[in-house]
Amino acid sequence: EVQLVQSGAEVKKPGESLRISCKGSGYSFTSYWISWVRQMPGKGLEWMGRIDPSDSYTNYSPSFQGHVTISADKSISTAYLQWSSLKASDTAMYYCARRACSGGSCYLQHWGQGTLVTVSS
Amino acid sequence: QSVLTQPPSASGTPGQRVTISCSGSSSNIGSNTVNWYQQLPGTAPKLLIYSNNQRPSGVPDRFSGSKSGTSASLAISGLQSEDEADYYCAAWDDSLNGPWVFGGGTKLTVL
Repeated sequence: EVQLVQSGAEVKKPGESLRISCKGSGYSFTSYWISWVRQMPGKGLEWMGRIDPSDSYTNYSPSFQGHVTISADKSISTAYLQWSSLKASDTAMYYCARRACSGGSCYLQHWGQGTLVTVSS
Repeated sequence: QSVLTQPPSASGTPGQRVTISCSGSSSNIGSNTVNWYQQLPGTAPKLLIYSNNQRPSGVPDRFSGSKSGTSASLAISGLQSEDEADYYCAAWDDSLNGPWVFGGGTKLTVL
């Protein structure tokens, strides 16, 4: 069974750094891209960026480029989302999701349970 | 403001058929397939429809999807109380917005 298990909720102060994680199991971790998706309180889904765990190639939505860093450690089947200096506006639920493709179409097939990040002074 | 446009809300009574629309442009829906996600209250999104009209294993055939030009629709027939959720459309975007863009979501209420 494919599973994406994310790290637990975090409460941080503005300016602090943070790294949250997403551990894949039940499949070949290097064979599928991992995306990160933000959901601000009461709002919709926003795609942030993705990583190909086989070579750590990343690309980001322009809205998030330069504000977050996505990385992966294939030796432990884990992807990361990282901030160097958090802002209150980073308060949100963050989901990781695994891409799958079929017949030339791709989609986010499996999702983690989400990590709630709260940034408050 | 989301790249894909959905109505913020929809409603229906048990047993009814409801549809949710999703409007995009030539760089996303017009040239790529559409996926739909269901988010039940307090849970992570779940893939509901992929490649415009394909259902993953386990998704009831009450759910169906279609696409025409730069618009797509999700239809739910035989509405049930457990269908009350937020529904999001998504598509690959060939422009600078990035591989995936989402609609703003539609909150479905079962009356």
